[in-house]
Amino acid sequence: GESVGLHLPTLSVQEGDNSIINCAYSNSASDYFIWYKQESGKGPQFIIDIRSNMDKRQGQRVTVLLNKTVKHLSLQIAATQPGDSAVYFCAENDPPGYSTLTFGKGTMLLVSP
Amino acid sequence: SQTIHQWPATLVQPVGSPLSLECTVEGTSNPNLYWYRQAAGRGLQLLFYSVGIGQISSEVPQNLSASRPQDRQFILSSKKLLLSDSGFYLCACVGGRVYGYTFGSGTRLTVV
Repeated sequence: GESVGLHLPTLSVQEGDNSIINCAYSNSASDYFIWYKQESGKGPQFIIDIRSNMDKRQGQRVTVLLNKTVKHLSLQIAATQPGDSAVYFCAENDPPGYSTLTFGKGTMLLVSP
Repeated sequence: SQTIHQWPATLVQPVGSPLSLECTVEGTSNPNLYWYRQAAGRGLQLLFYSVGIGQISSEVPQNLSASRPQDRQFILSSKKLLLSDSGFYLCACVGGRVYGYTFGSGTRLTVV
């Protein structure tokens, strides 16, 4: 669904800090989740995904945590860099299949040098 | 891996004029294809998706239509643009990973 807010939540961090971006998803039946990164004027890029049979998945400098009990997803970025500045979206599949995704509202991450 | 070509990158059109945005996909056959719109500072709204040639599902009733004349071609159209049609339009397909989307670079449409 589309965001109803006029302003994106913003997280401001210093270079080298760890960043945690949170997302609450809506459908308890969703079983696949993805994080995307969108830089200004560009299309979203896939970062990492996780299936509902997992609680945690790690990539390069990124970790996704899934808490199905409270329908919460988080993205952790280690040693944040200025190039990580972007809007981050979580997405969940629309069950019963995987034909479409529903995107969260997005969080803007600003990294200061 | 899949590559999505989307054009034009930017477009300024007067109210009441027609619209045609094209998206083509390389590197895959029979992909699922999607059109999303993103208003400034907002999330992604699914407009249309297609699971095959001539098969279009509309998620939001509006002033737009979509067509899929070929397997790897997806077109977004309007007969008469409204001011509210302004936004960032993104084409997507199911990407190299099993279920994740691959997005195109987007078209910034401004209706004046």
